[in-house]
Amino acid sequence: KQEVTQIPAALSVPEGENLVLNCSFTDSAIYNLQWFRQDPGKGLTSLLLIQSSQREQTSGRLNASLDKSSGRSTLYIAASQPGDSATYLCAVRSRRDDKIIFGKGTRLHILP
Amino acid sequence: ETGVTQSPTHLIKTRGQQVTLRCSSQSGHNTVSWYQQALGQGPQFIFQYYREEENGRGNFPPRFSGLQFPNYSSELNVNALELDDSALYLCASSFVRQGAGETQYFGPGTRLLVL
Repeated sequence: KQEVTQIPAALSVPEGENLVLNCSFTDSAIYNLQWFRQDPGKGLTSLLLIQSSQREQTSGRLNASLDKSSGRSTLYIAASQPGDSATYLCAVRSRRDDKIIFGKGTRLHILP
Repeated sequence: ETGVTQSPTHLIKTRGQQVTLRCSSQSGHNTVSWYQQALGQGPQFIFQYYREEENGRGNFPPRFSGLQFPNYSSELNVNALELDDSALYLCASSFVRQGAGETQYFGPGTRLLVL
């Protein structure tokens, strides 16, 4: 059974710092991995999607990597800003049953 | 903004009642998925519809049911509501091509409170 874990559960960093959020998954049989942002009480905004054949994707200050064999992904945020404060979720789409499994998220707080 | 809309935004029901939540997919998308997100948790997959047919289901009882219409809008119906059904319900639409991993676009969600 696929399980997705995100560490840390919460993180506070001063504005301007670079930071890394971690996601791990137990079954490497995936189609893709996706990172989302969720503001309090709101829906999810897709940030980056990495296909299983890819190693990384970049969008602006965000870079996501995927190591499928070790079951790990990281989301790197450069030069963090207070507007980056949100919960960040990762999700994998399983090849075995085509379901999308989410982690519980990392709550990020950027201190002005 | 993703182009996916959900209604209503908030809803309060009592135990035993029935509820219908609605989702309008992004134009051109042929697949819709529904998720339940309890407070402090990640979204849990309920089911997915592809071209009006259920195309996968998570660990939810049969009192959770759905429909997808020809215009790709969708409904989530929950019968015999329980207190634990209180959550944010999210729908996500995508365009699925065979063998391709698609990006899902989420709506803002409907927050359901069961008293």
